[in-house]
Amino acid sequence: EIVMTQSPATLSVSPGERATLSCRASQSLSTLAWYQQKPGQAPRLLIYGTSTRATGIPARFSGSGSGTEFTLTISSLQSEDFAVYYCQQYHNWPFTFGPGTKVDIK
Amino acid sequence: EVQLVQSGAEVKKPGESLKISCKGSGYSFSSNWIGWVRQVPGKGQELMGIIYPYDSDTRYSPSFQGQVTISADRSISTAYLQWGGLKASDTAMYYCARLRYLDWFLDFWGQGTLVTVSS
Repeated sequence: EIVMTQSPATLSVSPGERATLSCRASQSLSTLAWYQQKPGQAPRLLIYGTSTRATGIPARFSGSGSGTEFTLTISSLQSEDFAVYYCQQYHNWPFTFGPGTKVDIK
Repeated sequence: EVQLVQSGAEVKKPGESLKISCKGSGYSFSSNWIGWVRQVPGKGQELMGIIYPYDSDTRYSPSFQGQVTISADRSISTAYLQWGGLKASDTAMYYCARLRYLDWFLDFWGQGTLVTVSS
């Protein structure tokens, strides 16, 4: 099973600042997805195929990376972006998630 | 509009059985895999298994094989997750989610079903 790790566990950011979230896999991946989850809500797809934004996702969200190292960048944090972000590999079954990074207000 | 609507919250006792549901609409239900995700506060998310409603081909994560049963009835566009004998450790939020056609990421999610198992 591929183990996913994310860092940091919590990221404190001021509105308007840039946020960089990291995701690491225990083995090389061909592709990765990112999800956003707000309190009391279901997760929402943000990024798939490592760097493709899902429908309706603002351009301030971008994904990058390859191999075992991946990054989600939020270029200028808006109030609605404070949430938990999860990466997920769907390269090998079972598909596995990282433990999440909580982005909160500094 | 794609929607996945899950059944309501459940409170059960250890050893009881349970079947929760996920009804899809707004797309061809048979054509996309459906997955079940367990979320325990502080323990992240786990994809328990997936099912292809067209022919009920099912794959389980090794952690959940033998612990739950995933099924689907394509005639009513509904997928199910069931337990034969619940444990306190099954207490969690359960989400169903659609896998993108011809791909494996989860593009639409249900609202979640909270299952509480307590004596």
